Amino acid sequence: AQTVTQSQPEMSVQEAETVTLSCTYDTSESDYYLFWYKQPPSRQMILVIRQEAYKQQNATENRFSVNFQKAAKSFSLKISDSQLGDAAMYFCAYRSAFNTNAGKSTFGDGTTLTVKP
Amino acid sequence: DAGITQSPRHKVTETGTPVTLRCHQTENHRYMYWYRQDPGHGLRLIHYSYGVKDTDKGEVSDGYSVSRSKTEDFLLTLESATSSQTSVYFCAIKPGGPQETQYFGPGTRLLVL
Repeated sequence: AQTVTQSQPEMSVQEAETVTLSCTYDTSESDYYLFWYKQPPSRQMILVIRQEAYKQQNATENRFSVNFQKAAKSFSLKISDSQLGDAAMYFCAYRSAFNTNAGKSTFGDGTTLTVKP
Repeated sequence: DAGITQSPRHKVTETGTPVTLRCHQTENHRYMYWYRQDPGHGLRLIHYSYGVKDTDKGEVSDGYSVSRSKTEDFLLTLESATSSQTSVYFCAIKPGGPQETQYFGPGTRLLVL
């Protein structure tokens, strides 16, 4: 079974600065997807960014980018120019690329990000 | 936003009573999921469905059952609620294909006294 580990329960960053959230995972599969979700106080789960394991290029979405190290099984999220609205809990998630997996996702325990004005 | 709703949004119940949570989608997506979220933890999969009447267990399925008689509705039932089932429950939907995005409902907060 796959596992996802987020070793930083809490992180803080000054507004306009850059912060990196860590995520490691364990899998024996070669093809999979990785995700970062944001959960603000409203509890709504919002997809931030995703990475396909077969792609070497790191995904980027505006101020959000990832550092995907497949051999190390590491998938960190970098938030640049942090904004007050970035304050939330962030979850890393793993999903197998095999159809028989039915799209089930495994989530880490989350990192609570505080943004200081 | 994906057309996915959950009802009720909040519920307080007593130990031993049955509880049913409903997830409704308007997207005609094939896959539907029920997760629970507890403090200090991410989402954990309870049950999922890959079609009408096709369901399977997730990692924390004990004490829960599900049914999907229509594409748009996925019901989660706690046959006899326990305090350990106090949690926030999320429904999610996804079209076919592992590459597709999974969309989450707004969550249901359940308190079992």
